[in-house]
Amino acid sequence: DQQVKQNSPSLSVQEGRISILNCDYTNSMFDYFLWYKKYPAEGPTFLISISSIKDKNEDGRFTVFLNKSAKHLSLHIVPSQPGDSAVYFCAASGYYGGSQGNLIFGKGTKLSVKP
Amino acid sequence: EADIYQTPRYLVIGTGKKITLECSQTMGHDKMYWYQQDPGMELHLIHYSYGVNSTEKGDLSSESTVSRIRTEHFPLTLESARPSHTSQYLCASSEGGGGNTIYFGEGSWLTVV
Repeated sequence: DQQVKQNSPSLSVQEGRISILNCDYTNSMFDYFLWYKKYPAEGPTFLISISSIKDKNEDGRFTVFLNKSAKHLSLHIVPSQPGDSAVYFCAASGYYGGSQGNLIFGKGTKLSVKP
Repeated sequence: EADIYQTPRYLVIGTGKKITLECSQTMGHDKMYWYQQDPGMELHLIHYSYGVNSTEKGDLSSESTVSRIRTEHFPLTLESARPSHTSQYLCASSEGGGGNTIYFGEGSWLTVV
């Protein structure tokens, strides 16, 4: 059973507009959340993170929002640029049971930003 | 920026061959990981290590093995490759466990024919 879910496999946005990527999780023990960006032939690149004590974290064009009660987080990219076109992975971690604090990843959302 | 390196980037080998995927990091991170990803799927943790002489199996069962003789080096070995091993293998490292960002290498694409 997936603990981290990205229900939209793909998203298409016009350049300059906002991109909103969503992620849901089921494990209430998760306390640290991250977003990674991945191009096809490369490894994932860390974008931004948020701990469960916060509900928002901002870094330049990227903002992550965390809604703990809904077990939902989102990544906002404003303004979107063609170079943002990639697959975005949501990941979560926490110390519980045998987790060892390891990251659990979603399946990713492919973002296409059109000029 | 992460300094973690994987070789080879791309490898095509025949069934039954032994292969080793190399991974090195220069950040002095204690924890290292190997993930496997098939196209369009999530990343699955197959091995991790807390430090020298420590290796643990991840969430996804894998026929590969790993070793951690030096802090900076975490190679992955397949004794006898099969077509089902065709995948992208991603090495990563972090300062510690939960609450720490992990940094990935560029990945090794393995194709077994």
